[in-house]
Amino acid sequence: GENVEQHPSTLSVQEGDSAVIKCTYSDSASNYFPWYKQELGKRPQLIIDIRSNVGEKKDQRIAVTLNKTAKHFSLHITETQPEDSAVYFCAASMPGGSYIPTFGRGTSLIVHP
Amino acid sequence: DAGVIQSPRHEVTEMGQEVTLRCKPISGHNSLFWYRQTMMRGLELLIYFNNNVPIDDSGMPEDRFSAKMPNASFSTLKIQPSEPRDSAVYFCASSSQGNTEAFFGQGTRLTVV
Repeated sequence: GENVEQHPSTLSVQEGDSAVIKCTYSDSASNYFPWYKQELGKRPQLIIDIRSNVGEKKDQRIAVTLNKTAKHFSLHITETQPEDSAVYFCAASMPGGSYIPTFGRGTSLIVHP
Repeated sequence: DAGVIQSPRHEVTEMGQEVTLRCKPISGHNSLFWYRQTMMRGLELLIYFNNNVPIDDSGMPEDRFSAKMPNASFSTLKIQPSEPRDSAVYFCASSSQGNTEAFFGQGTRLTVV
């Protein structure tokens, strides 16, 4: 089955800096790559996603890039704010009835004011 | 819609007792997932239902774990007998056929003492 590796496990930045989280996946059949944000004590929620036919997608301060050849994708957060502090999960999934996401281990992002 | 609803939010039980976690997916969603979240293992997929039928239960750790989905609006995850190592947050998530976003419930924090 699919295996997703995520790095780093923790990331500490100053407010206003950029943050980058990287993930690799193993199954070339995966074609959907969502990113979830989980605030302390809350549920994971989708923040951005990308499909395999696109190399990059942006939504305000958040962007995701995908390299299908190398089987890796990244989350970029610019102008970080304290409220960006959370655990971020990448996931990979493939078509076939429903998209079952396989999650990375998560990155704990801490943004210092 | 109120989203995915899980109960109870917190459960503390003694080792050896039976534990039942409940989930009500979003109306109209036909895929349901049970995940377990721990610091050591991150988000692990336990079982996936499509149209109330278990499709993939390879993530269920052992025979002490069982899951059912008697109808489109209700699922249970049962642990019998429970052990301290089962302590974790258990999430239920649902999605609709062909749609890619998984919507998570608030989770059940299980503590087995």
